[in-house]
Amino acid sequence: EAGVAQSPRYKIIEKRQSVAFWCNPISGHATLYWYQQILGQGPKLLIQFQNNGVVDDSQLPKDRFSAERLKGVDSTLKIQPAKLEDSAVYLCASSFDGGVADTQYFGPGTRLTVL
Amino acid sequence: GENVEQHPSTLSVQEGDSAVIKCTYSDSASNYFPWYKQELGKRPQLIIDIRSNVGEKKDQRIAVTLNKTAKHFSLHITETQPEDSAVYFCAARYNFNKFYFGSGTKLNVKP
Repeated sequence: EAGVAQSPRYKIIEKRQSVAFWCNPISGHATLYWYQQILGQGPKLLIQFQNNGVVDDSQLPKDRFSAERLKGVDSTLKIQPAKLEDSAVYLCASSFDGGVADTQYFGPGTRLTVL
Repeated sequence: GENVEQHPSTLSVQEGDSAVIKCTYSDSASNYFPWYKQELGKRPQLIIDIRSNVGEKKDQRIAVTLNKTAKHFSLHITETQPEDSAVYFCAARYNFNKFYFGSGTKLNVKP
C-alpha cells in the first residue's frame, strides 16, 4: 500500500517569498491533516479536511497561510509571505474517515527553511 | 484550551532497562490516545494506541496505561534496545478527530 506522499522534501526561501507544499494522501482516505512541526516540538495541527471541506482551521495563521483540497484528494498548503518563524517541517497526514481511533498516517514531511 | 503535557523531555536508559514516558491531557472528553515514534529525519510512526474504555494495552515490549480519572496516560517500554532510541510523542484526540500532541521525549538507549 502506497503511503502519504509529499513534495518537495526540502525548500529554502527568503523571508517575504511565497512557497507551496503538496500532499497526496493514501487512496480512499477521507480525512487529511496539515501539521507544523518546529524543531524540538510536537506536531501542531494547522488545518483538517474531511473530503474537500474544512473541519478545523482554528490554528492556521490565515493572514499568510492558505490550504485547499480540491476534489477531496490532493491538498496544497501555501505560505505568502513567509516569515523566519515559519521555518519548520510541514507534515501531511491522512486517515480513513476521521472516526474514533482512526489511525493517522504521516507523510515524510517538507522541511522549510526561511532565511 | 486543550493541552497535552509530556514528561520527561529527555530520557537516557541502559540497554535492557525499562523506560516510562508520561502524558497528561486537559479535556475529559478525550477518548483516544496514540503514541508515535519519530526517528531523526523521518515521519512519525504509530507504535501503540489506547481508547478511553480500556485501562491498559500491550504489544510485545510496549504497553500503554490510561488513568481517566487523573487524565494521564503512560508509555512503557521494557527490555529496551538501541533501536528504540528516537523521539516519542503522545497525542490526545479531541472534538471532530482533532489531535493535540505532546512536546516529545527523546529516548536514548545506551548499549
